[in-house]
Amino acid sequence: EPEVTQTPSHQVTQMGQEVILRCVPISNHLYFYWYRQILGQKVEFLVSFYNNEISEKSEIFDDQFSVERPDGSNFTLKIRSTKLEDSAMYFCASTLTPTGGELFFGEGSRLTVL
Amino acid sequence: AQSVTQPDIHITVSEGASLELRCNYSYGATPYLFWYVQSPGQGLQLLLKYFSGDTLVQGIKGFEAEFKRSQSSFNLRKPSVHWSDAAEYFCAVGAQQAGTALIFGKGTTLSVSS
Repeated sequence: EPEVTQTPSHQVTQMGQEVILRCVPISNHLYFYWYRQILGQKVEFLVSFYNNEISEKSEIFDDQFSVERPDGSNFTLKIRSTKLEDSAMYFCASTLTPTGGELFFGEGSRLTVL
Repeated sequence: AQSVTQPDIHITVSEGASLELRCNYSYGATPYLFWYVQSPGQGLQLLLKYFSGDTLVQGIKGFEAEFKRSQSSFNLRKPSVHWSDAAEYFCAVGAQQAGTALIFGKGTTLSVSS
């Protein structure tokens, strides 16, 4: 069964360092997302991406964050200068249908900022 | 404002007993509704979804949910809980437009006692 894969599963970094989280969405999907979940809190939307551009972003997704799809298969989330509060589980998701809705999530990348 | 409320933070149910997890939403447009499950250390897995039609929807693992428009609710049920159902359950709502972000509730942690 096709699945969304994410790497790394866990990354520890120092505050101020750049981090790139990688995702391989399901191959025929068209819409891509990043969500995050701070420990003990709800899953929060960060950004959606379609047709090589951001279609929607939340207040969380500030200038420190960026996304790209560099090669037609990977979908990356970059945090330029990590802060302690960026520590969270980051989930990538993708969907196919133009009517939207059902998302297929990866297993997440846990980011720990020290 | 768009929101999803899961009033129960933590529920404990005896194995074999029935389960109902509550979800209420506030959404301006006609919503798509979802229940996701997250087992420890895992990603989010879709249990079931409601787009239209029959308001009682069946999902995987023996779960079902009923959409009640008049109550803005989408409660999740299972007639007989198994120990493996212990996990965190998230209700989510989205719009019918392509690429629209899902809004998640804060989740309900289900513990199953023997």
